[in-house]
Amino acid sequence: DGGITQSPKYLFRKEGQNVTLSCEQNLNHDAMYWYRQDPGQGLRLIYYSQIVNDFQKGDIAEGYSVSREKKESFPLTVTSAQKNPTAFYLCASSPQINEKLFFGSGTQLSVL
Amino acid sequence: GIQVEQSPPDLILQEGANSTLRCNFSDSVNNLQWFHQNPWGQLINLFYIPSGTKQNGRLSATTVATERYSLLYISSSQTTDSGVYFCAVESNYKLTFGKGTLLTVNP
Repeated sequence: DGGITQSPKYLFRKEGQNVTLSCEQNLNHDAMYWYRQDPGQGLRLIYYSQIVNDFQKGDIAEGYSVSREKKESFPLTVTSAQKNPTAFYLCASSPQINEKLFFGSGTQLSVL
Repeated sequence: GIQVEQSPPDLILQEGANSTLRCNFSDSVNNLQWFHQNPWGQLINLFYIPSGTKQNGRLSATTVATERYSLLYISSSQTTDSGVYFCAVESNYKLTFGKGTLLTVNP
């Protein structure tokens, strides 16, 4: 089945720890995105990538980092610099930038 | 940046009823998308609709770009339609989401 796979579904972070959220797609899409969702809120863009080896900051990139070494993969690292990391993180992809968007099932990150 | 407002914020329906959700945006946009987020958090793309009208089963959407709004129609609602409906607009290569409409369909 084609789609976007996010793992893990739930993740816990300790103080001062970096954690990495995985996102893999087999849709052959060029563009990939990371969004953060807080309770009762819309989605806010963290980072996006139009093509392999290229990525751009979104609206709330501080405390996060990404890489795009392969077309299929766009991992997100939540660093210790992100002081309020508890949120639902959604990965998405589209054939080209800003075309029809498809989402993974999300990762809930909580702080211990 | 562009502002996206969705109304109503909450809506409760009896199964079988029809509803209209609205999305207003503050500036011209290149495209607009509607999404449904189910109670488990999964987001499904319902429509990619920069202008005009599209239909998909019991759902249809209309975007009037010149007047800066879009409408999502749900007919003969079912309990599985419950969840949050988001619209998102693209301007200058950036997609901005509204805060959503929480729809509850009771049996």
